[in-house]
Amino acid sequence: GIQVEQSPPDLILQEGANSTLRCNFSDSVNNLQWFHQNPWGQLINLFYIPSGTKQNGRLSATTVATERYSLLYISSSQTTDSGVYFCAGDYGGSQGNLIFGKGTKLSVKP
Amino acid sequence: EADIYQTPRYLVIGTGKKITLECSQTMGHDKMYWYQQDPGMELHLIHYSYGVNSTEKGDLSSESTVSRIRTEHFPLTLESARPSHTSQYLCASTDTRNTEAFFGQGTRLTVV
Repeated sequence: GIQVEQSPPDLILQEGANSTLRCNFSDSVNNLQWFHQNPWGQLINLFYIPSGTKQNGRLSATTVATERYSLLYISSSQTTDSGVYFCAGDYGGSQGNLIFGKGTKLSVKP
Repeated sequence: EADIYQTPRYLVIGTGKKITLECSQTMGHDKMYWYQQDPGMELHLIHYSYGVNSTEKGDLSSESTVSRIRTEHFPLTLESARPSHTSQYLCASTDTRNTEAFFGQGTRLTVV
């Protein structure tokens, strides 16, 4: 079945540093999304990005569907950026279901 | 505004009890999902629904059951809770075109 791989699995940054998180998928995936899971466990929508590039403040994301990957950029990181970042996609059709990667655990140190 | 609600947020119950985790959405979405997640780990799909009277089991075997009598409501029931059911349960919904998914705040269940 479809596999979604995220890298790196763990990342430690000093506050103010930049970082890039990667999501690779094994087959054509639709409706690629990035989420941030906060310390209380809630999944917060960051980007819905089937293709192209989007930016929201210090965060931006790029999906290259033809090459089966997506990148999440975090600039000038803050301690509040800490948590787990997940990407997820579905393999299309009315019965497609969201397949999640295993996540990147980010710790931003002050 | 995306609105999907889960109750309770936290629940501690004894072994053998029957419990129902509630999930409701006000977006008119046809598709709804339940995921199980241990802290900091990957999400596992345990149930999903395409619409009213439609329910399917997900990739991860679960002893829970679900129902979908109304579009906006997708409760999950454990007939007899066990310590192995201790986990976080996350509910989500999307529209039929599988566009952006939205998640509830989650229910953190502890079975003692």
